[in-house]
Amino acid sequence: DTGVSQDPRHKITKRGQNVTFRCDPISEHNRLYWYRQTLGQGPEFLTYFQNEAQLEKSRLLSDRFSAERPKGSFSTLEIQRTEQGDSAMYLCASSFTGSNTEAFFGQGTRLTVV
Amino acid sequence: QKEVEQNSGPLSVPEGAIASLNCTYSDRGSQSFFWYRQYSGKSPELIMSIYSNGDKEDGRFTAQLNKASQYVSLLIRDSQPSDSATYLCAGHILTGGGNKLTFGTGTQLKVEL
Repeated sequence: DTGVSQDPRHKITKRGQNVTFRCDPISEHNRLYWYRQTLGQGPEFLTYFQNEAQLEKSRLLSDRFSAERPKGSFSTLEIQRTEQGDSAMYLCASSFTGSNTEAFFGQGTRLTVV
Repeated sequence: QKEVEQNSGPLSVPEGAIASLNCTYSDRGSQSFFWYRQYSGKSPELIMSIYSNGDKEDGRFTAQLNKASQYVSLLIRDSQPSDSATYLCAGHILTGGGNKLTFGTGTQLKVEL
């Protein structure tokens, strides 16, 4: 297992277009997190899954954002009608369930909305 | 009040010195804490985890947890220029949906020659 994998690494899109990112967690990790990070800030929580169930979604997240994790394996994050303010690094992390477990990040997807 | 708070820095230390990074958290029920290192343009890399009060050492790194004071710290001994990065403190914060991993804004560390 090579760790958490994210695709694509970079995405440039025009404002108003839809984009979708994929995250493949470490195998057997049943918890998967999505974060957004802008320059000079820490990762901002977006949502997380335990297996296929989406347990929490950030109140700051608009309805243009949606995430899925069918069959509890890989996950996708879709942003509809992108805006320039969506430009950021989108990070995925995975872990086993429980509070005393370590989460590991993928390399991230850098989104630029022009 | 933010759930996890850090001083953004930058914290500058000379090579070979001890760097001390601090973090406070608001949820007294939080059980576990983590330190991540993040180089510019890269994703966070886990370097330490700590679950109980006291110190935990791993090589040049020592994590300290004081649950009564809701305080977590990371000490880096014999700091090297390669330690220059942003250090993120994270904790499992209890929420209605379970617990989620919540990050501070990070402290930028600069190790000077």
